[in-house]
Amino acid sequence: SAVISQKPSRDICQRGTSLTIQCQVDSQVTMMFWYRQQPGQSLTLIATANQGSEATYESGFVIDKFPISRPNLTFSTLTVSNLSPEDSSIYLCSARRQGETEAFFGQGTRLTVV
Amino acid sequence: QQPVQSPQAVILREGEDAVINCSSSKALYSVHWYRQKHGEAPVFLMILLKGGEQKGHDKISASFNEKKQQSSLYLTASQLSYSGTYFCGTEIGRGSTLGRLYFGRGTQLTVWP
Repeated sequence: SAVISQKPSRDICQRGTSLTIQCQVDSQVTMMFWYRQQPGQSLTLIATANQGSEATYESGFVIDKFPISRPNLTFSTLTVSNLSPEDSSIYLCSARRQGETEAFFGQGTRLTVV
Repeated sequence: QQPVQSPQAVILREGEDAVINCSSSKALYSVHWYRQKHGEAPVFLMILLKGGEQKGHDKISASFNEKKQQSSLYLTASQLSYSGTYFCGTEIGRGSTLGRLYFGRGTQLTVWP
């Protein structure tokens, strides 16, 4: 397995601003993903962070709202833009290695928009 | 693409058994099971890759019926530490979707002494 560090662990943001979440893995991984989990709800896949190219977004999520970067095999960022109260949620980073099947998760970032 | 999980909630006494089911309308490449405790990250339990395969981890096991696209998680002689929300994550096919997991709504399991 690997260890994923996510920063910040929580934040309170003003409506209309943006928050960038960082995800650092302690070893190289093939695949990185971003999920959203609203309180008491399931994990919803936002996008696949592709190294060196644009992220692949799931239906209902767009790049303008959730820009993602992945400059190398151990690091990715997710920005949640133009925040509204509906964006209040937990955002989780996940990673998997080539050939390994387990997906491991960061501790999550709890975002509250006021 | 979200799988369907049942039941939504289970309440058990310590030592009792439980079964959690997960089904998909899509052809599955794999099924992953996770447990999440409140305020914590999901923790990987096991993965099932082949039809009819059954895996076990201590007193927790799972099966995957590839023909029906269904998986079941079996918790035997439950312990207090089993309490949490259980999620199944499904991986659909291969190619461009390889690696992506789509999760069910979760099953909240509560074990009482």
